[in-house]
Amino acid sequence: DIVMTQTPLSLSVTPGQPASISCKSSQSLLHSDGKTYLYWYLQKPGQSPQLLIYEVSSRFSGVPDRFSGSGSGTDFTLKISRVEAEDVGVYYCMQGIHLPRYTFGQGTKLEIK
Amino acid sequence: QVQLVESGGGVVQPGRSLRLSCAASGFTFSSYGMHWVRQAPGKGLEWVAVIWYDGSNKYYADSVKGRFTISRDNSKNTLYLQMNSLRAEDTAVYYCARGRTPKVSRSYGDAFDIWGQGTMVTVSS
Repeated sequence: DIVMTQTPLSLSVTPGQPASISCKSSQSLLHSDGKTYLYWYLQKPGQSPQLLIYEVSSRFSGVPDRFSGSGSGTDFTLKISRVEAEDVGVYYCMQGIHLPRYTFGQGTKLEIK
Repeated sequence: QVQLVESGGGVVQPGRSLRLSCAASGFTFSSYGMHWVRQAPGKGLEWVAVIWYDGSNKYYADSVKGRFTISRDNSKNTLYLQMNSLRAEDTAVYYCARGRTPKVSRSYGDAFDIWGQGTMVTVSS
């Protein structure tokens, strides 16, 4: 089975500073249709997960433009240009191409300094 | 507004069954694939199952295959998860989630754009 590995598992960031989370997959997420099925979600404390980024770099509706996704093949990155207090929570990457269909990373907990 | 509301969770003994429901509103339910995702206490997210918008295909995680059944009633705007032969390791919050792309007929590549609030299932004697 495909394995999604996130680093770091936790990070503490001063408001206004940037943050970056890496996600590596054990197999390429590039499909034969030309799309790469890598997603990012944020689960705020006590809430359900919410979609941030789909297909590597497309921001979901309503997601602030301080969030950006990049990468290709097996290496991906979520960047927050200027962290705000409301960004705290656990960030998950997810692949949507290989069996068992959808697999999440372990999660990265973002805290505010 | 667009909303998913799960129900049916509770405490159940190992080996017993439970059926979860997910009521959808605010969108054309019959046009979207639907998923179940679970989260064990203090753990990460695990995808459980998907059903296509028309109910024609279903796929499961290996951990639940043969024990869980996903289904839907488009006339009632409701998604279900029938869970049989429950084990302690099935203890989790179960979320239903909508696939982002309407009327997609494929088993891969769909973001989960709307999530319910979750329902807790505890398997314990």
